[in-house]
Amino acid sequence: DQQVKQNSPSLSVQEGRISILNCDYTNSMFDYFLWYKKYPAEGPTFLISISSIKDKNEDGRFTVFLNKSAKHLSLHIVPSQPGDSAVYFCAGGGGGADGLTFGKGTHLIIQP
Amino acid sequence: EPEVTQTPSHQVTQMGQEVILRCVPISNHLYFYWYRQILGQKVEFLVSFYNNEISEKSEIFDDQFSVERPDGSNFTLKIRSTKLEDSAMYFCASRGTTRAQHFGDGTRLSIL
Repeated sequence: DQQVKQNSPSLSVQEGRISILNCDYTNSMFDYFLWYKKYPAEGPTFLISISSIKDKNEDGRFTVFLNKSAKHLSLHIVPSQPGDSAVYFCAGGGGGADGLTFGKGTHLIIQP
Repeated sequence: EPEVTQTPSHQVTQMGQEVILRCVPISNHLYFYWYRQILGQKVEFLVSFYNNEISEKSEIFDDQFSVERPDGSNFTLKIRSTKLEDSAMYFCASRGTTRAQHFGDGTRLSIL
């Protein structure tokens, strides 16, 4: 049951360019989404969230876009930095449920 | 910055034994969670806890599992009789009034 899908297992981007990470969902009941970043041997670190009533949220270099009709969200990182190399998880929540539903993650590699 | 702490970082246990994983959530948070990640798979929700009781649990959280908040700071996950398939990273998370859940670095549980 893949309610949250991240179809790209990995993504390589040059330092300074924009990184775009994508996420699709099937559960219309989600009323918020979050992006997490994870380094090896550490827990997921919260990056940014968006409510389902918004279509954009921005925090510094990170912007999340939500297209509800397409059930699609994306995380933009600009400019990409070497420290951004990590696994990025998209998660959906709400709709009466408190637990988050995660995607499988996308491994972002920033090339110097 | 306040963080969620988990102990131990690695636990090795014989199959059939009981194991307790410990977490200290962020001090002013009221919502607490356990998740697990089996190697190569998604992060999966197990249980949420609020106001000294379970508020939601997944199908994974069967009678072998229990959670407790024995005092004002600790939050524990007990697995009564461990099975080989319980081997995973277990993450504790907490949140305050926003939806962002903050994760610890996890306990790697290895069942022999």
